[in-house]
Amino acid sequence: KAGVTQTPRYLIKTRGQQVTLSCSPISGHRSVSWYQQTPGQGLQFLFEYFSETQRNKGNFPGRFSGRQFSNSRSEMNVSTLELGDSALYLCASSFGSETQYFGPGTRLLVL
Amino acid sequence: AQKVTQAQTEISVVEKEDVTLDCVYETRDTTYYLFWYKQPPSGELVFLIRRNSFDEQNEISGRYSWNFQKSTSSFNFTITASQVVDSAVYFCALSEANFGNEKLTFGTGTRLTIIP
Repeated sequence: KAGVTQTPRYLIKTRGQQVTLSCSPISGHRSVSWYQQTPGQGLQFLFEYFSETQRNKGNFPGRFSGRQFSNSRSEMNVSTLELGDSALYLCASSFGSETQYFGPGTRLLVL
Repeated sequence: AQKVTQAQTEISVVEKEDVTLDCVYETRDTTYYLFWYKQPPSGELVFLIRRNSFDEQNEISGRYSWNFQKSTSSFNFTITASQVVDSAVYFCALSEANFGNEKLTFGTGTRLTIIP
């Protein structure tokens, strides 16, 4: 079974721009979670989607948003990028409440 | 609120030595899950183990073993006869066991370096 895939793998943006990251879960998994990893804050939960509905949200500003499609693929969007948004963004999928399996991440650099 | 503490920021050991990574957690939940993930330089988090709060049996998988002690809120991870390929950052994580609220709370990670 293919693992979680994330695109793009690397991204460079400038302040003020917006970005969309994509995540394709493991086949059959309906839950997709997003995490941000930075050297200063570590791994932090962004939000989780299940059957196209956001079930959980972490403590991030409204500039961070996401959605999930009927095929369980998910996207996250960050608007008005700030330098502090530079991070590794990790997506994880799970079958309901089972173990979360992570993708390779998208490394975002904001200049 | 949930919290996971990994007090060891970095550990270096010589190949073939045993090494234990510590994890202490805090939660008010009576039912929860504990996890260990490995993050190699590529960045992907690799799942190692999940433990239910009701199951305090220690587990061994090859060179890896885990010691879960509810009395001390600890879930430690031991690598026996370490190898260079074990070099990575290891994260301990905690989640509620309620359907719909399975977000992971991670520790700050322990960077393990195995010296050949």
